[in-house]
Amino acid sequence: QKEVEQDPGPLSVPEGAIVSLNCTYSNSAFQYFMWYRQYSRKGPELLMYTYSSGNKEDGRFTAQVDKSSKYISLFIRDSQPSDSATYLCAMSAGNSGYSTLTFGKGTMLLVSP
Amino acid sequence: SAVISQKPSRDICQRGTSLTIQCQVDSQVTMMFWYRQQPGQSLTLIATANQGSEATYESGFVIDKFPISRPNLTFSTLTVSNMSPEDSSIYLCSVEDSPGSYGYTFGSGTRLTVV
Repeated sequence: QKEVEQDPGPLSVPEGAIVSLNCTYSNSAFQYFMWYRQYSRKGPELLMYTYSSGNKEDGRFTAQVDKSSKYISLFIRDSQPSDSATYLCAMSAGNSGYSTLTFGKGTMLLVSP
Repeated sequence: SAVISQKPSRDICQRGTSLTIQCQVDSQVTMMFWYRQQPGQSLTLIATANQGSEATYESGFVIDKFPISRPNLTFSTLTVSNMSPEDSSIYLCSVEDSPGSYGYTFGSGTRLTVV
């Protein structure tokens, strides 16, 4: 079993839809959870991060962490064509550069006008 | 956040040759990270480069294949040596947004094709 599982998609939705992206993980030591967005031919950029369990909201984006189920989610409300990208979940056991990030494979999202 | 300039953006190389990838950061950073992103695979950390010391390599990666230099606090290079088609991948450098932060800034990547 891989440490982090993420459905690669592609996930195709119409503009305005609510999008749900998910990752599961097996390492109970993970405490810091991140979502990165990667446009084609670009490096990943940090969207959201959360510590331990709970929700965090930033504009149209909501990140949820359920440590008891080892399951994290990213919700995108009122999706836009500009949200079309690959979304990578990432997690680590510590909050410094000394703690390695473990990434999911990424989910490709396509939002059609 | 730091701004990273990574060169080259892409290259096509013959097997058996080597390619050196450069990563320039607009601010001084303690650690720089090198990742590989293979098609259909997750971002995988190759090594961590600290200025003034040997790079630390992750399991499955060795210095002879991926030598790294870190001559100062704003620059690093990764060399992919004796390349084979299996080395075809995107290589990215990364730095912490700020010391102890969760966020990392990534370069745009180097898309390498080995023929």
